[in-house]
Amino acid sequence: EVQLVQSGAEVKKPGESLKISCQGYGYRFTSYWIGWVRQMPGKGLEWMGIIYPPDSDSRYSPSFQGHVTLSADKSITTAYLQWSSLKASDTAMYYCARGRAVRDAFDIWGQGTMVTVSS
Amino acid sequence: QSALTQPASVSESPGQSITISCTGTSSDVGGYNYVSWYQQHPGKAPKLLIFDVSNRPSGVSNRFSGSKSGNTASLTISGLQAEDEADYYCSSYTRSGPWVFGGGTKLTVL
Repeated sequence: EVQLVQSGAEVKKPGESLKISCQGYGYRFTSYWIGWVRQMPGKGLEWMGIIYPPDSDSRYSPSFQGHVTLSADKSITTAYLQWSSLKASDTAMYYCARGRAVRDAFDIWGQGTMVTVSS
Repeated sequence: QSALTQPASVSESPGQSITISCTGTSSDVGGYNYVSWYQQHPGKAPKLLIFDVSNRPSGVSNRFSGSKSGNTASLTISGLQAEDEADYYCSSYTRSGPWVFGGGTKLTVL
């Protein structure tokens, strides 16, 4: 079965760093881009960025550029989203999803990782 | 990079049809045939319904259809069922993006 499995929920304090993961199963991981989408509590979807695991080519939404970093380790079919210094406003559900190309829709989604940032 | 404009909510009775609009600009919806639609039930991950304006992935009901005219894309759901009650999001490839989502539309099946 094709699936993306994300790491578990996180509770962090402002200023802390965090790296969440998204592991692909059941398909050729290096043939697809992995994108990340934010959903703040009670709000809509926001496109954050996308990475190509074979060479880590990345594209970011202007809204998220410089605030998060995408990375990937193709040897373990895993993509990552990380923050160096979290803010309370980073509290949200984060989804990973795959797309065949940068211009392609996301056809498979992970289950989501809830990140809570609170002092 | 502004979100695409969708109605906040729509409602219709079972068995009827409904159309959800998604308005952008010539830099996104109007400039590319890369518009997609997603369905999200409460507490669940989004699900792809339509890609490249009007194409359905395997397994998606043919009650869902997509179209585009100028800077506005549309999702039509025919033969509404109770299970269609969900949030719907459009998304478009953009010149500056690469992608942007609409604000989402809550569909209520009366």
